[in-house]
Amino acid sequence: DAMVIQNPRYQVTQFGKPVTLSCSQTLNHNVMYWYQQKSSQAPKLLFHYYDKDFNNEADTPDNFQSRRPNTSFCFLDIRSPGLGDAAMYLCATSRDQAGGPSEQYFGPGTRLTVT
Amino acid sequence: SQQGEEDPQALSIQEGENATMNCSYKTSINNLQWYRQNSGRGLVHLILIRSNEREKHSGRLRVTLDTSKKSSSLLITASRAADTASYFCALPPSGTYKYIFGTGTRLKVLA
Repeated sequence: DAMVIQNPRYQVTQFGKPVTLSCSQTLNHNVMYWYQQKSSQAPKLLFHYYDKDFNNEADTPDNFQSRRPNTSFCFLDIRSPGLGDAAMYLCATSRDQAGGPSEQYFGPGTRLTVT
Repeated sequence: SQQGEEDPQALSIQEGENATMNCSYKTSINNLQWYRQNSGRGLVHLILIRSNEREKHSGRLRVTLDTSKKSSSLLITASRAADTASYFCALPPSGTYKYIFGTGTRLKVLA
């Protein structure tokens, strides 16, 4: 089945130790997203790629970076995680359709713990 | 804030009852979407309504959209315990491929 896969599902890192979260998709969608979601809150968009074009949200900290080496893969790098970065990180995809993006397809998320 | 607003924040109903949740937003949109999220999991797309549509149905779901009032509602009829989840509206502002999410409604359906 076509899907969005996130690895790992659970990640524990130490304060200040760089960490990379991975996302892959078999849907061949041209748009990929990274969201941060904290407990009982709505997902917060960090950035998205339209094809290879990177679109950063104005309030996304510089500590968060992303790479999309090809259509299928996208990575979220947190350069120096702080305790406040502990959250669920969600990857999603969508595609072009008339009048804007289609619905989004979400991965299961990676829960990041910072010790 | 560009975030959409949803109400109620939380809703508790008995199995078999209907649940209605509302979403208001501030920007112009191409479409509006509703998602469900079970605790600790990813979001699942439920329904998409385009800006030129006023009502859409999918199974037990009914969505309305009023672009003049910048609001949408999601109705779940004959609710089941399995409908217990958080529900979010999400909308891409016109001309963009980003999404603004609503604040969410936590629905609890009691068996």
